[in-house]
Amino acid sequence: AQSVSQHNHHVILSEAASLELGCNYSYGGTVNLFWYVQYPGQHLQLLLKYFSGDPLVKGIKGFEAEFIKSKFSFNLRKPSVQWSDTAEYFCAVNAENYGQNFVFGPGTRLSVLP
Amino acid sequence: DVKVTQSSRYLVKRTGEKVFLECVQDMDHENMFWYRQDPGLGLRLIYFSYDVKMKEKGDIPEGYSVSREKKERFSLILESASTNQTSMYLCASSLGGGATQETQYFGPGTRLLVL
Repeated sequence: AQSVSQHNHHVILSEAASLELGCNYSYGGTVNLFWYVQYPGQHLQLLLKYFSGDPLVKGIKGFEAEFIKSKFSFNLRKPSVQWSDTAEYFCAVNAENYGQNFVFGPGTRLSVLP
Repeated sequence: DVKVTQSSRYLVKRTGEKVFLECVQDMDHENMFWYRQDPGLGLRLIYFSYDVKMKEKGDIPEGYSVSREKKERFSLILESASTNQTSMYLCASSLGGGATQETQYFGPGTRLLVL
């Protein structure tokens, strides 16, 4: 079965610090990869997604993620975080041979200190 | 923009009550999903549906059932609520219909407290 792990449960950064959140998945076939963000009190929204092509994908609000197939990883990055980036971040995987199911990681809570 | 709405943001029920959570999407999506979200566990799939009257069990279907009588509406039913079903419930939809590059769109969630 697929599984998704996220390296950090809670990350605390100061504003302007750089961010990297780790995501690894277990499925060996073709995958679609996603990062979702949940701001306090708001619903889950798509931050960025990878289906194929350039393994470096850019999303909203200055976020980007790099798909490294050999490492089964899809890490999320942002060069300079803002207080408004405080949220919970979820990595998700959909394997094309696994039907319509998505598998989500446990989430990483990011706290950005002003 | 896809809009997924859920009938309640907050719900308080008593143990043993029957609970209905409703979800509606307005983009003619084939697929609809119910997840529960718990701290440290992320999102876990309860049930999903890929067509009207069709349903598939997810990872944690025990204690739940679903109904999809119309394409736009997907209901989650707790036949007899228990305290361990206190959680945030998220509904999602995606295009489906054999599409290979799917994106899920989420509703705002229903926070259920079972006393």
